Parts: sequence; C-alpha cells; structure tokens
Amino acid sequence: TQLLEQSPQFLSIQEGENLTVYCNSSSVFSSLQWYRQEPGEGPVLLVTVVTGGEVKKLKRLTFQFGDARKDSSLHITAAQPGDTGLYLCAGAPTEDNYGQNFVFGPGTRLSVLP
Amino acid sequence: ETGVTQTPRHLVMGMTNKKSLKCEQHLGHNAMYWYKQSAKKPLELMFVYSLEERVENNSVPSRFSPECPNSSHLFLHLHTLQPEDSALYLCASSQGSAPGSYEQYFGPGTRLTVT
Repeated sequence: TQLLEQSPQFLSIQEGENLTVYCNSSSVFSSLQWYRQEPGEGPVLLVTVVTGGEVKKLKRLTFQFGDARKDSSLHITAAQPGDTGLYLCAGAPTEDNYGQNFVFGPGTRLSVLP
Repeated sequence: ETGVTQTPRHLVMGMTNKKSLKCEQHLGHNAMYWYKQSAKKPLELMFVYSLEERVENNSVPSRFSPECPNSSHLFLHLHTLQPEDSALYLCASSQGSAPGSYEQYFGPGTRLTVT
C-alpha cells in the first residue's frame, strides 16, 4: 500500500511569518498535487508538479517536487489569515495505468493568526 | 453552474433511512469519484467511474451503492447506514487517464450525520 505522510500535522503561526510543510513517501509518484481545503468545503487544487526537481510558484506559495519524485514541500512566504486551511498532498502512483487512483496524505492544518 | 456541484450540502438520516447523494460536474470530464473524509483520517477513495463504468471499488460496504448514469452525473445511494458512516462525502472529477490529466476537481461535499 502506498502512503503519503505530511508534516507537521498542525501549525499555528502569526501573520507575516514564513512556513514550510512537507509531504513524504517511500513510493515514487508520476505526479503530485497540492490542495487547500477550508472548513465545510471541498479541496481546491493549488498546483500539480510532474518533473523531479520541479519548482512552481503561485504568488507567495512555492512548491517543490523532490528529485526522486517521492516527496514535496510547500513554502509560504509572509503568511496571511486567508492562508488558513487544511493543506493536502496527493500522488498518482506510477504503476497506475489509468492515473486515477490518487493517494492522499492526512493533511497539515494551518492556522494563521492576525 | 460551473465546476462540481453536490446536493444536499447537509443530510441527517436515521439508521433505517434510504437517501441519495447527487453530484454533477460541468467540466466535460469523463472520470468521477466518491471520497469519504472523516475527522483525523486521510481522504478515503470509495468509488471511481471512468466513462460511466466503475473501475474501482475500494472494499466499500454494500450499504453504499454508487450509480453513474452518464459522464456528468454521479449518485451515492445510502441505506441502513451506521453512526460511524457520519462524514463529509466528497465528489470529484478529472479528465481521465491521459498523462497530465490527473488533477481532480472537488465539489463542496455533503456533510452526512447518521443518528
């Protein structure tokens, strides 16, 4: 069974601080997605990374895919209260010919205090 | 409407009731999914449909019965549920199996409470 671990599980910071959350696995993934989920809503896709070593930036968010495509990180610069939510990573296993069987991590719950 | 919609948003049902959850996607995708999200647990994939055919059933109890009449609609029929089935049920869609088409787009979910 392929598993994704995320750390930290919970993170509470002050507005303006920087933070990094991690998504790790012993398995290789063909692609990896990051989602943000707010209470009572479904996850919203933030980014997809496909190539090992890839770095993508989305305003104050920087996503990196590990060289071996087993791990990923999300760095937020100058966090704002609007960044509060559950951050989920999800991987598409390479041996999945259909690419439809995602594996989700348990999430990092971020709280940014004003 | 755009994206993925789900109805109802909230549902309270007794253990002997029968109810159905509905999902509709307006993205032209050909794969649809049901997930269960419980407190303190990762998202659990329940069912996957591709081109209206079920391609995945992750050992889900038979009290959950999916139906996919066409590529835009997905239902989850519920009967004789247990209190531990209380959770947020999420529907998602994706373009399908082509590389680079793995992004899943989620609906807002149905918060189900079984009493």
